[in-house]
Amino acid sequence: RKEVEQDPGPFNVPEGATVAFNCTYSNSASQSFFWYRQDCRKEPKLLMSVYSSGNEDGRFTAQLNRASQYISLLIRDSKLSDSATYLCVVNMNTNAGKSTFGDGTTLTVKP
Amino acid sequence: NAGVTQTPKFRVLKTGQSMTLLCAQDMNHEYMYWYRQDPGMGLRLIHYSVGEGTTAKGEVPDGYNVSRLKKQNFLLGLESAAPSQTSVYFCASSYTGINTEAFFGQGTRLTVV
Repeated sequence: RKEVEQDPGPFNVPEGATVAFNCTYSNSASQSFFWYRQDCRKEPKLLMSVYSSGNEDGRFTAQLNRASQYISLLIRDSKLSDSATYLCVVNMNTNAGKSTFGDGTTLTVKP
Repeated sequence: NAGVTQTPKFRVLKTGQSMTLLCAQDMNHEYMYWYRQDPGMGLRLIHYSVGEGTTAKGEVPDGYNVSRLKKQNFLLGLESAAPSQTSVYFCASSYTGINTEAFFGQGTRLTVV
């Protein structure tokens, strides 16, 4: 079983739709969580951190469920520019290099 | 704002050749990382460094070596390239390894024939 698992998609949604991605992690000692966005053939960039209390940034909402060991990303009112691959990242704070990336979920927003 | 710069951006190698990928960051970050990304997959950590003069193995270190002689630079070496090392290589840096954003370079597309 992979340490971090994501539904690869692709998710094809119309503009204005709400879409949600889930990511599960296997190591209960994981301490910090992030969503990164990667555009085609480009480098990943931080979209948002995920806090225990949940957090929101405009149309994006991230939540963490430690008991079930998953994090989620909700995108409301999807825009064409949201089309990208979304990477779930899980860190174990005890090891500086232990950032584990999921394989990514691909989102395509269509007119 | 240069951030993280990787050179070269593209390279084609013949099997058995060697090369060095250079990563430079101007953010005074302590931590630096080398990842590889294969089609349809996430990033896998090759090697990392928690400070000048230090290096450590990641998830897939075989066939690669690294050096961090200066804080701002992290070099990735392939001593004898193999077709299995065809991939996109990303360098990243972060202020610390805990709860902080990692900044990535634009990637190096390496093809080994």
